[in-house]
Amino acid sequence: GAGVSQSPRYKVAKRGQDVALRCDPISGHVSLFWYQQALGQGPEFLTYFQNEAQLDKSGLPSDRFFAERPEGSVSTLKIQRTQQEDSAVYLCASSLVGGELNYGYTFGSGTRLTVV
Amino acid sequence: QKEVEQDPGPLSVPEGAIVSLNCTYSNSAFQYFMWYRQYSRKGPELLMYTYSSGNKEDGRFTAQVDKSSKYISLFIRDSQPSDSATYLCATPNNAGNMLTFGGGTRLMVKP
Repeated sequence: GAGVSQSPRYKVAKRGQDVALRCDPISGHVSLFWYQQALGQGPEFLTYFQNEAQLDKSGLPSDRFFAERPEGSVSTLKIQRTQQEDSAVYLCASSLVGGELNYGYTFGSGTRLTVV
Repeated sequence: QKEVEQDPGPLSVPEGAIVSLNCTYSNSAFQYFMWYRQYSRKGPELLMYTYSSGNKEDGRFTAQVDKSSKYISLFIRDSQPSDSATYLCATPNNAGNMLTFGGGTRLMVKP
């Protein structure tokens, strides 16, 4: 597609519910990133994939967060047993290059998760 | 202390004004610096990136890095209402696979 597509755009979850957020990167992009952006804050890194390999998951805040990219294209971020502090915008970005310096990110519009 | 700091604003200016947006950072190992613009309910989009110290100009935008003081600036000349957005500075880690963002400065340009 023309850009990075994320779905759903908005998600309201009851506390304790599991959620799955989808990211469709730009076709052919090797690198895929997930960031979390709390209200009024800058994005914070969650995890990074190069093709299907998850090379860095150091930013995932707890073991309730899990991300996958099984075929090296679409990625899913799953949050189990959601908590109120998980409320944020979850941004996905992709980049054509792999490894080295990735400053050519294209971000999606994000999924706004509200946990009630 | 966060590695990259920004004044959150909001910064309100009249149309046509020169805008100065600033960041400070703490890690002297940072080499590349980016400025992203984020409109409401959209993802960040890359405006400019610079390497090491110096200036880089692109149309109405000038990015400036002063490594001696760990200070990054973005100047917007002849500001327009369409420039109203949140501006985020960012820097990658050495591996290039993670960006550290500042908290963003919200800019409002009034007609």
